[in-house]
Amino acid sequence: EVQLVESGGGLVQPGGSLRLSCAASGFTFSSYWMSWVRQAPGKGLEWVANIKQDGSEKYYVDSVKGRFTISRDNAKNSLYLQMNSLRAEDTAVYYCARESTVTPRMDVWGKGTTVTVSS
Amino acid sequence: NFMLTQPHSVSESPGKTVTISCTRSSGSIASNYVQWYQQRPGSSPTTVIYEDNQRPSGVPDRFSGSIDSSSNSASLTISGLKTEDEADYYCQSYDSSVVFGGGTKLTVL
Repeated sequence: EVQLVESGGGLVQPGGSLRLSCAASGFTFSSYWMSWVRQAPGKGLEWVANIKQDGSEKYYVDSVKGRFTISRDNAKNSLYLQMNSLRAEDTAVYYCARESTVTPRMDVWGKGTTVTVSS
Repeated sequence: NFMLTQPHSVSESPGKTVTISCTRSSGSIASNYVQWYQQRPGSSPTTVIYEDNQRPSGVPDRFSGSIDSSSNSASLTISGLKTEDEADYYCQSYDSSVVFGGGTKLTVL
């Protein structure tokens, strides 16, 4: 079964850091672009970042550039999101998503992990 | 980058047909494929339409997608509405980055 399981969410103070992880199984992880997508409480979906199969290309939404870093470990079938200098507006459910091999669309989603930035 | 604009909410009765629009702010809607995701409360999104008008296996043919270059928009049409179709729907496309629409809450009443 194709599966993505996020972990690492929690409560953090403004200015703090958090590292999210996503464990992939049931497919050849190293063959796919991977994304992080977030959803603030009561709001819509917002793409955060994505990373190429070998990690050589990474892209970010403007609001997280310089603060968040996406990475992957293909040997461990894992995707990561290092989040620094967190702000209240980063509070959201963070989803790990697999991108289709053909076009930049999300064809598999995890259940998400919740990040709350508050003092 | 561009934006995708959706109506905030739509409502229709069971058995009827509803269409949700998604308008691209700049650049041609036909330049890059459009996807549609359904998200029920408390659940992760799932794809109902990909590459403008393709349905994943398991999605009923009541769901259809199209694009209209004259209005620079994409549309998701759901016919024979069922109460289980009540959900939030998001369009998504891309150019240099991935872009989601703001989402449309569909109420079936």
